[in-house]
Amino acid sequence: TQLLEQSPQFLSIQEGENLTVYCNSSSVFSSLQWYRQEPGEGPVLLVTVVTGGEVKKLKRLTFQFGDARKDSSLHITAAQPGDTGLYLCAGITRPSNTGKLIFGQGTTLQVKP
Amino acid sequence: ETGVTQTPRHLVMGMTNKKSLKCEQHLGHNAMYWYKQSAKKPLELMFVYNFKEQTENNSVPSRFSPECPNSSHLFLHLHTLQPEDSALYLCASSHRAGHTDEQYFGPGTRLTVT
Repeated sequence: TQLLEQSPQFLSIQEGENLTVYCNSSSVFSSLQWYRQEPGEGPVLLVTVVTGGEVKKLKRLTFQFGDARKDSSLHITAAQPGDTGLYLCAGITRPSNTGKLIFGQGTTLQVKP
Repeated sequence: ETGVTQTPRHLVMGMTNKKSLKCEQHLGHNAMYWYKQSAKKPLELMFVYNFKEQTENNSVPSRFSPECPNSSHLFLHLHTLQPEDSALYLCASSHRAGHTDEQYFGPGTRLTVT
């Protein structure tokens, strides 16, 4: 059973378009993180959201945590080729001293010039 | 060196070989992690070390043996692996293993078992 469902799994768009990636679960998360991974590299942390309803912005990227802390979205405005990569959401289901991070299966984004 | 480093970056080994993966973090963190990333599957947590003590073993087969001699270094010893163990093995670190701790990943070791 996949605890974190990401959609879409693959997205190919033209430069300048907007897009939204979703991360959904039936479980409640104490925090949720978004990462971007480029080929041959490890994931790089983009943002952490902790509070239900929280919205964070990172330049053209907007992250939202659902009110019930079961879902999150990543919106990219005016996508650029440099945004190409694998986007991963990951969450910790409860306060825990093991820090067990559950990952979604990822969304592969391709932005064509 | 800064951040989290991993060596080697690529490794090809036979099923009867013994090899080790190395991870080093230069962030002053106290928790370190091993993950496995296979094609079309979510990242799988393998092991967690918090202040050098193993706090999580996610039902990993015994052919994978972790070692954490100090908070900055983490090893993954490999022996008698199977072809299905071929994957990208990622190391990560965080300040401590806790509910909001942000994890920082190394570039990974691409392992191929022949």
